[in-house]
Amino acid sequence: QKEVEQDPGPLSVPEGAIVSLNCTYSNSAFQYFMWYRQYSRKGPELLMYTYSSGNKEDGRFTAQVDKSSKYISLFIRDSQPSDSATYLCATLKTSYDKVIFGPGTSLSVIP
Amino acid sequence: EPEVTQTPSHQVTQMGQEVILRCVPISNHLYFYWYRQILGQKVEFLVSFYNNEISEKSEIFDDQFSVERPDGSNFTLKIRSTKLEDSAMYFCASKEGSGYNEQFFGPGTRLTVL
Repeated sequence: QKEVEQDPGPLSVPEGAIVSLNCTYSNSAFQYFMWYRQYSRKGPELLMYTYSSGNKEDGRFTAQVDKSSKYISLFIRDSQPSDSATYLCATLKTSYDKVIFGPGTSLSVIP
Repeated sequence: EPEVTQTPSHQVTQMGQEVILRCVPISNHLYFYWYRQILGQKVEFLVSFYNNEISEKSEIFDDQFSVERPDGSNFTLKIRSTKLEDSAMYFCASKEGSGYNEQFFGPGTRLTVL
């Protein structure tokens, strides 16, 4: 069983749409949950992180973690063409651990 | 804003040759990492480095790979005898200290093995 799974897409939405990106993980020992954004041929860039279960909001982005179902979500409101990228969900067991990435979901926001 | 830098941005080499990928982590960071991403696949952990020694390494990080922090600023990944399957983007990352804080990723080095 893969440690972190997500639908690779591609996902294409019109500008202004609400985007929902989802991810599941297998190991209940994971404590930290992150969403990274990766533009083509660039390094991952941290968008948001959450410790344990709960919601976190930052501007147009909301991250949700449900540890009981091992489910991670990222919502993007009022999506913009500049949001077009690959979104990687990721986890850590401990704060100094290696990051375990999902395969990423490719998102295109069409003007 | 401080950032992780990597050189070169693209390296082309012949199979069997040695390559050294270089990274300059953010200056006050203490934890260092190498990851790789084969085209179309997920980002995978290779090795972590703290206090001048390897903390953890993955199955990918075999005897052909080594890491070094030769001075106070550089962090290098050496591949002794490259194989075709080593072709990938290699990302360096660094982290400030213990407790949760962000791993900052560099822009990557694209390694092409012919």
